[in-house]
Amino acid sequence: AAGVIQSPRHLIKEKRETATLKCYPIPRHDTVYWYQQGPGQDPQFLISFYEKMQSDKGSIPDRFSAQQFSDYHSELNMSSLELGDSALYFCASSRGGFQETQYFGPGTRLLVL
Amino acid sequence: GQNIDQPTEMTATEGAIVQINCTYQTSGFNGLFWYQQHAGEAPTFLSYNVLDGLEEKGRFSSFLSRSKGYSYLLLKELQMKDSASYLCAVRARSGGSYIPTFGRGTSLIVHP
Repeated sequence: AAGVIQSPRHLIKEKRETATLKCYPIPRHDTVYWYQQGPGQDPQFLISFYEKMQSDKGSIPDRFSAQQFSDYHSELNMSSLELGDSALYFCASSRGGFQETQYFGPGTRLLVL
Repeated sequence: GQNIDQPTEMTATEGAIVQINCTYQTSGFNGLFWYQQHAGEAPTFLSYNVLDGLEEKGRFSSFLSRSKGYSYLLLKELQMKDSASYLCAVRARSGGSYIPTFGRGTSLIVHP
């Protein structure tokens, strides 16, 4: 069965650079969620989209932006990267909103040097 | 803000039953999630409760009492592969959004 795809799987950036993380949800899923998980930390909800519209916004820094495109894939754009942005970024998708089973992607590990 | 409390660590024996509790204090409650996460892997969604009561899914069940700010995850017929971190997350209204906030997780160790 198809799963959530995230790319890249690993990314190394320098401080003040930009990064774009991509998420391809399971086919026919209309909701995408982004989470950030620092080393040894619990996940932090960043933002979610339902039918290409932002639905909920969590602790996403102003330096970050995200969108969901017409094919339902989503991109998280991160600018002016800081050392503290080093983390695992998970994307999850569901069909029909947050109350439905969310399927997580394998994550993108971002290291900011 | 929200205050979510779970035990840090629990141990249990293969084949046994274990109950992982989660208590929370929040305003604008809109549901509670349970996730399983193995080290270095993505979380796996286990359950979502928004109404009081017990929801059963195979070996896993989740219970919610909104009036008590309390939930538990019940794992039956424990297997070694159930050794993982179990995360409780509370979804609550914050401004114009509904935000899930995670507890620190309960590390479950299943031994033979």
